[in-house]
Amino acid sequence: EPEVTQTPSHQVTQMGQEVILRCVPISNHLYFYWYRQILGQKVEFLVSFYNNEISEKSEIFDDQFSVERPDGSNFTLKIRSTKLEDSAMYFCASSDSPDRGMRSNQPQHFGDGTRLSIL
Amino acid sequence: DAKTTQPTSMDCAEGRAANLPCNHSTISGNEYVYWYRQIHSQGPQYIIHGLKNNETNEMASLIITEDRKSSTLILPHATLRDTAVYYCIVRVGMNRDDKIIFGKGTRLHILP
Repeated sequence: EPEVTQTPSHQVTQMGQEVILRCVPISNHLYFYWYRQILGQKVEFLVSFYNNEISEKSEIFDDQFSVERPDGSNFTLKIRSTKLEDSAMYFCASSDSPDRGMRSNQPQHFGDGTRLSIL
Repeated sequence: DAKTTQPTSMDCAEGRAANLPCNHSTISGNEYVYWYRQIHSQGPQYIIHGLKNNETNEMASLIITEDRKSSTLILPHATLRDTAVYYCIVRVGMNRDDKIIFGKGTRLHILP
Protein backbone atom coordinates (compact mmCIF):
# COMPACT_ATOMS: atom_id res chain seq x y z
CA GLU A 1 0.00 0.00 0.00
CA PRO A 2 1.34 3.47 -0.88
CA GLU A 3 2.77 5.43 2.05
CA VAL A 4 3.70 8.96 2.99
CA THR A 5 7.37 8.96 3.93
CA GLN A 6 9.11 11.53 6.08
CA THR A 7 12.79 12.23 6.68
CA PRO A 8 14.61 12.45 8.96
CA SER A 9 12.84 10.48 11.67
CA HIS A 10 14.60 12.59 14.32
CA GLN A 11 16.17 16.03 13.92
CA VAL A 12 18.15 17.76 16.65
CA THR A 13 18.85 21.46 16.07
CA GLN A 14 20.24 24.37 18.01
CA MET A 15 17.82 27.17 18.81
CA GLY A 16 17.92 29.88 16.16
CA GLN A 17 18.99 27.54 13.41
CA GLU A 18 16.99 26.81 10.28
CA VAL A 19 15.52 23.35 9.80
CA ILE A 20 13.90 21.67 6.82
CA LEU A 21 11.61 18.70 7.27
CA ARG A 22 11.01 16.56 4.22
CA CYS A 23 8.05 14.55 3.05
CA VAL A 24 7.29 12.41 0.04
CA PRO A 25 3.49 12.30 -0.32
CA ILE A 26 1.63 9.44 -1.96
CA SER A 27 2.13 9.54 -5.70
CA ASN A 28 -0.68 11.28 -7.62
CA HIS A 29 -2.08 12.93 -4.49
CA LEU A 30 -2.80 16.60 -4.99
CA TYR A 31 -3.40 17.97 -1.50
CA PHE A 32 -0.66 18.21 1.11
CA TYR A 33 -0.68 19.06 4.79
CA TRP A 34 1.57 19.57 7.79
CA TYR A 35 0.49 18.94 11.37
CA ARG A 36 2.43 18.97 14.59
CA GLN A 37 2.03 17.27 17.97
CA ILE A 38 3.77 18.61 21.03
CA LEU A 39 4.56 15.82 23.48
CA GLY A 40 1.44 14.79 25.39
CA GLN A 41 -0.84 17.14 23.46
CA LYS A 42 -3.28 16.96 20.56
CA VAL A 43 -2.35 16.82 16.90
CA GLU A 44 -2.61 20.39 15.53
CA PHE A 45 -3.10 21.56 11.95
CA LEU A 46 -0.40 23.82 10.54
CA VAL A 47 -0.97 24.30 6.83
CA SER A 48 -2.60 22.88 3.72
CA PHE A 49 -1.17 23.19 0.22
CA TYR A 50 -2.68 22.72 -3.22
CA ASN A 51 -1.74 23.74 -6.72
CA ASN A 52 1.56 25.20 -5.54
CA GLU A 53 0.07 27.54 -3.02
CA ILE A 54 -1.10 27.57 0.57
CA SER A 55 -4.83 26.84 0.88
CA GLU A 56 -5.13 27.46 4.59
CA LYS A 57 -2.84 28.02 7.54
CA SER A 58 -3.32 28.09 11.28
CA GLU A 59 -2.23 30.71 13.79
CA ILE A 60 0.77 28.53 14.59
CA PHE A 61 2.05 28.88 11.02
CA ASP A 62 3.62 32.32 11.35
CA ASP A 63 6.23 33.94 9.15
CA GLN A 64 8.95 31.69 10.55
CA PHE A 65 7.34 28.78 8.72
CA SER A 66 7.22 28.11 5.01
CA VAL A 67 6.31 25.21 2.76
CA GLU A 68 7.47 24.26 -0.67
CA ARG A 69 6.99 21.60 -3.28
CA PRO A 70 10.35 21.90 -5.01
CA ASP A 71 9.76 19.08 -7.47
CA GLY A 72 7.09 16.57 -8.38
CA SER A 73 7.64 14.33 -5.40
CA ASN A 74 8.82 16.25 -2.32
CA PHE A 75 6.95 18.53 0.06
CA THR A 76 9.00 20.43 2.64
CA LEU A 77 8.39 22.41 5.81
CA LYS A 78 11.01 25.00 6.72
CA ILE A 79 11.37 26.75 10.06
CA ARG A 80 13.71 29.71 9.62
CA SER A 81 14.80 30.41 13.17
CA THR A 82 13.79 27.63 15.52
CA LYS A 83 12.59 28.24 19.06
CA LEU A 84 12.47 25.88 22.00
CA GLU A 85 8.68 25.67 21.67
CA ASP A 86 9.02 24.30 18.14
CA SER A 87 10.05 20.97 19.63
CA ALA A 88 7.37 18.51 18.55
CA MET A 89 6.49 15.68 16.19
CA TYR A 90 5.74 17.02 12.73
CA PHE A 91 3.45 14.98 10.52
CA CYS A 92 3.00 15.31 6.79
CA ALA A 93 -0.22 14.13 5.15
CA SER A 94 -1.61 13.92 1.64
CA SER A 95 -4.98 13.24 0.09
CA ASP A 96 -6.37 12.43 -3.30
CA SER A 97 -8.81 14.61 -5.12
CA PRO A 98 -10.86 13.48 -8.08
CA ASP A 99 -11.51 16.11 -10.64
CA ARG A 100 -15.17 15.80 -9.79
CA GLY A 101 -14.44 17.93 -6.77
CA MET A 102 -15.47 15.38 -4.17
CA ARG A 103 -12.67 16.61 -2.02
CA SER A 104 -14.47 16.56 1.24
CA ASN A 105 -14.66 12.82 1.49
CA GLN A 106 -11.08 11.94 0.68
CA PRO A 107 -9.15 10.70 3.70
CA GLN A 108 -5.78 12.17 4.53
CA HIS A 109 -2.94 9.70 4.83
CA PHE A 110 -0.19 10.50 7.31
CA GLY A 111 3.50 9.76 7.53
CA ASP A 112 5.12 8.56 10.75
CA GLY A 113 6.53 11.99 11.47
CA THR A 114 9.78 13.74 12.24
CA ARG A 115 10.64 14.30 15.87
CA LEU A 116 12.15 17.79 16.07
CA SER A 117 14.18 18.56 19.18
CA ILE A 118 15.39 22.13 19.70
CA LEU A 119 18.28 22.57 22.11
CA ASP B 1 -12.43 22.92 18.69
CA ALA B 2 -13.29 19.34 17.93
CA LYS B 3 -17.01 18.80 17.37
CA THR B 4 -17.03 15.33 18.89
CA THR B 5 -17.15 13.83 22.37
CA GLN B 6 -15.44 10.54 23.18
CA PRO B 7 -14.67 8.66 26.38
CA THR B 8 -11.15 9.28 27.61
CA SER B 9 -10.22 5.62 27.80
CA MET B 10 -11.59 2.11 27.34
CA ASP B 11 -10.43 -1.43 27.93
CA CYS B 12 -11.21 -4.45 25.79
CA ALA B 13 -10.15 -8.08 26.10
CA GLU B 14 -8.08 -9.49 23.28
CA GLY B 15 -10.22 -11.35 20.77
CA ARG B 16 -13.40 -9.53 21.72
CA ALA B 17 -15.12 -6.80 19.76
CA ALA B 18 -14.10 -3.28 20.73
CA ASN B 19 -16.95 -0.77 20.46
CA LEU B 20 -15.84 2.85 20.59
CA PRO B 21 -18.63 5.43 20.90
CA CYS B 22 -18.62 9.01 19.66
CA ASN B 23 -21.12 11.83 20.03
CA HIS B 24 -21.39 14.50 17.35
CA SER B 25 -24.74 16.11 18.08
CA THR B 26 -24.02 19.29 16.07
CA ILE B 27 -22.99 17.52 12.87
CA SER B 28 -24.14 19.22 9.69
CA GLY B 29 -25.82 17.48 6.78
CA ASN B 30 -22.77 17.55 4.54
CA GLU B 31 -20.22 16.48 7.16
CA TYR B 32 -18.70 13.02 7.24
CA VAL B 33 -17.68 11.05 10.30
CA TYR B 34 -14.07 9.91 10.12
CA TRP B 35 -12.12 7.63 12.41
CA TYR B 36 -8.35 7.68 12.76
CA ARG B 37 -6.07 6.00 15.26
CA GLN B 38 -2.59 6.76 16.51
CA ILE B 39 -0.42 3.93 17.69
CA HIS B 40 2.38 5.03 19.98
CA SER B 41 5.18 6.89 18.15
CA GLN B 42 3.41 6.67 14.80
CA GLY B 43 1.38 9.07 12.68
CA PRO B 44 -2.42 9.05 12.63
CA GLN B 45 -3.77 6.16 10.60
CA TYR B 46 -7.01 6.42 8.64
CA ILE B 47 -9.52 3.72 9.54
CA ILE B 48 -12.91 4.42 8.01
CA HIS B 49 -15.43 7.14 7.25
CA GLY B 50 -19.12 7.46 6.49
CA LEU B 51 -21.92 9.92 5.87
CA LYS B 52 -25.22 8.24 6.65
CA ASN B 53 -24.98 4.54 5.99
CA ASN B 54 -23.08 2.00 7.99
CA GLU B 55 -19.70 1.19 6.50
CA THR B 56 -17.34 -1.77 6.74
CA ASN B 57 -13.81 -2.32 5.52
CA GLU B 58 -10.99 -4.70 6.32
CA MET B 59 -10.14 -2.85 9.51
CA ALA B 60 -13.44 -1.96 11.13
CA SER B 61 -17.14 -1.22 10.91
CA LEU B 62 -18.76 2.16 11.41
CA ILE B 63 -22.32 2.38 12.70
CA ILE B 64 -23.98 5.80 12.41
CA THR B 65 -27.31 6.44 14.11
CA GLU B 66 -30.24 7.47 11.98
CA ASP B 67 -30.20 11.03 13.32
CA ARG B 68 -26.41 11.08 12.75
CA LYS B 69 -25.78 12.52 16.21
CA SER B 70 -23.62 9.62 17.29
CA SER B 71 -21.61 6.74 15.88
CA THR B 72 -19.73 3.64 16.98
CA LEU B 73 -16.50 2.25 15.63
CA ILE B 74 -16.32 -1.53 15.92
CA LEU B 75 -13.09 -3.50 15.80
CA PRO B 76 -14.53 -7.01 15.46
CA HIS B 77 -11.67 -9.06 16.94
CA ALA B 78 -9.32 -6.79 18.85
CA THR B 79 -5.64 -7.70 19.07
CA LEU B 80 -2.84 -6.24 21.16
CA ARG B 81 -1.74 -4.27 18.09
CA ASP B 82 -5.03 -2.34 18.24
CA THR B 83 -3.90 -0.59 21.41
CA ALA B 84 -3.92 3.06 20.36
CA VAL B 85 -5.65 6.42 20.69
CA TYR B 86 -8.76 6.49 18.49
CA TYR B 87 -10.01 9.79 17.12
CA CYS B 88 -13.56 10.42 15.95
CA ILE B 89 -13.58 13.42 13.63
CA VAL B 90 -16.32 15.33 11.90
CA ARG B 91 -14.91 16.52 8.64
CA VAL B 92 -16.09 19.90 7.45
CA GLY B 93 -17.45 19.29 3.98
CA MET B 94 -16.44 22.49 2.23
CA ASN B 95 -13.93 22.10 -0.57
CA ARG B 96 -11.70 24.79 0.86
CA ASP B 97 -11.73 23.59 4.43
CA ASP B 98 -10.02 20.24 4.56
CA LYS B 99 -8.01 20.43 7.74
CA ILE B 100 -8.55 17.76 10.37
CA ILE B 101 -9.28 19.04 13.86
CA PHE B 102 -8.15 16.36 16.29
CA GLY B 103 -9.62 16.05 19.75
CA LYS B 104 -8.15 14.06 22.61
CA GLY B 105 -9.61 10.78 21.39
CA THR B 106 -10.19 7.53 23.27
CA ARG B 107 -7.20 5.62 24.56
CA LEU B 108 -8.05 1.96 23.91
CA HIS B 109 -6.19 -0.67 25.92
CA ILE B 110 -6.41 -4.23 24.64
CA LEU B 111 -5.90 -6.60 27.54
CA PRO B 112 -4.28 -10.01 27.01
